[in-house]
Amino acid sequence: GENVEQHPSTLSVQEGDSAVIKCTYSDSASNYFPWYKQELGKRPQLIIDIRSNVGEKKDQRIAVTLNKTAKHFSLHITETQPEDSAVYFCAATISSGSARQLTFGSGTQLTVLP
Amino acid sequence: GAVVSQHPSWVICKSGTSVKIECRSLDFQATTMFWYRQFPKQSLMLMATSNEGSKATYEQGVEKDKFLINHASLTLSTLTVTSAHPEDSSFYICSAISPGLGLEEQFFGPGTRLTVL
Repeated sequence: GENVEQHPSTLSVQEGDSAVIKCTYSDSASNYFPWYKQELGKRPQLIIDIRSNVGEKKDQRIAVTLNKTAKHFSLHITETQPEDSAVYFCAATISSGSARQLTFGSGTQLTVLP
Repeated sequence: GAVVSQHPSWVICKSGTSVKIECRSLDFQATTMFWYRQFPKQSLMLMATSNEGSKATYEQGVEKDKFLINHASLTLSTLTVTSAHPEDSSFYICSAISPGLGLEEQFFGPGTRLTVL
């Protein structure tokens, strides 16, 4: 099955700086890669996703890049703000057929210091 | 749109009792629902995949006789933790997908915090 590795496990940045979180996946058939933000005790919230036919996607301060050859994808947050502090999870899935189970990375605790 | 609810939001029970958690898609029909378990400071681990009208598919290591899943309608799936023990204490989260919503994005419920004394 799919295996997703995520680094780093914790990340502290100064407000206004950029944050980068990296993930690798093992199954070359995976073609959908969402990123989630989870605050303590809350549900995961989809913040951005990318499909395998695209190399980069941006939404305001958030961007995701995908390298299919190397099987890794990264989340980039620019101009970080204290409210960006949360746990971020990457995930991968095969977006076809009936299965579509998400495999999550281990999570990154991002702390933005004011 | 695409709202998923869970009930209850938290529950405390005694060891040996059973607890039922409901997951509902409020404004769409969910062909498939997923159940996850999340221990403190850990990731979401898929427990089972539930398709409406058929038996759930359990992930390796998840006891199907202990975690009973029923997906009786296109808007409701239930997870029953039978003979709960303290080690079952966790945050249980469901999610749902729908053909009408593209099937890729999973819509998550708010989670249920289970504490077994």
